[in-house]
Amino acid sequence: AQKITQTQPGMFVQEKEAVTLDCTYDTSDPSYGLFWYKQPSSGEMIFLIYQGSYDQQNATEGRYSLNFQKARKSANLVISASQLGDSAMYFCAMRRLNSGNTPLVFGKGTRLSVIA
Amino acid sequence: KAGVTQTPRYLIKTRGQQVTLSCSPISGHRSVSWYQQTPGQGLQFLFEYFSETQRNKGNFPGRFSGRQFSNSRSEMNVSTLELGDSALYLCASSRDNLEEQYFGPGTRLTVT
Repeated sequence: AQKITQTQPGMFVQEKEAVTLDCTYDTSDPSYGLFWYKQPSSGEMIFLIYQGSYDQQNATEGRYSLNFQKARKSANLVISASQLGDSAMYFCAMRRLNSGNTPLVFGKGTRLSVIA
Repeated sequence: KAGVTQTPRYLIKTRGQQVTLSCSPISGHRSVSWYQQTPGQGLQFLFEYFSETQRNKGNFPGRFSGRQFSNSRSEMNVSTLELGDSALYLCASSRDNLEEQYFGPGTRLTVT
C-alpha cells in the first residue's frame, strides 16, 4: 500500500521569501510518480509539478521545484519568491506506475499562508 | 483549451434523496476519476473510468456509482444520501492513467 505523509498542517512565509513544504512517502513499488497540487479556497486542484521515481534530476516548473530524495523517500516542494497568490492548501500525492491503473493517493495537505 | 468542467457547482439535498453529478473532461482525455474530499477523511478515490469502462474502484459503498459516455463525459450518482456524504466531489481527467490528472472545480454537496 502507498502512503503520503505531510507533517506540516500549516505554514507561514513572508512575501518574496522561499518556502519548503515537506512530503514523505511510503511504497514498495519500484516505479511510481509523485505529484504536487495546489488547492485555493475556490476548491479546484491545480497541478503544479511531477517527479518520476526513475527521473535523475529534480523536477522544476517556474517558481516550483521538487527536492526528490529517493533514499529518504521524501519529495519536498520548494516555492521560490512567494507571492500572496500562493496562499492555499498544498497536497502531495503519488501513484504506482506500470502496474495497471492506480489512483492518486493524497496526503492530508499543508495550508500555506503568505504574509505581506 | 477548455479545462475540466463540473456541474452543478453547489447542491443541497435531503437525507434519503439521490443525486447525480456531471463531469466533462478536457478534450482528448479518455480517463476520468472521481474523488471525495472531506475535512475528516481528506481526499479519497471513488472510481475511475476509461473508454466507458470502470477500471478501478475505491472503498465506498454501493450507493456510489458512476458511468462514462462515449464522449468521455462522466456522471456519478449517490443514492439514499446520508449526512456523511456532504463533501466536495472532484473530477479529474487525463489522457491515460499514467499521466498527471487535471481537476475540475468540484461540486460541493451538502446533505441536510
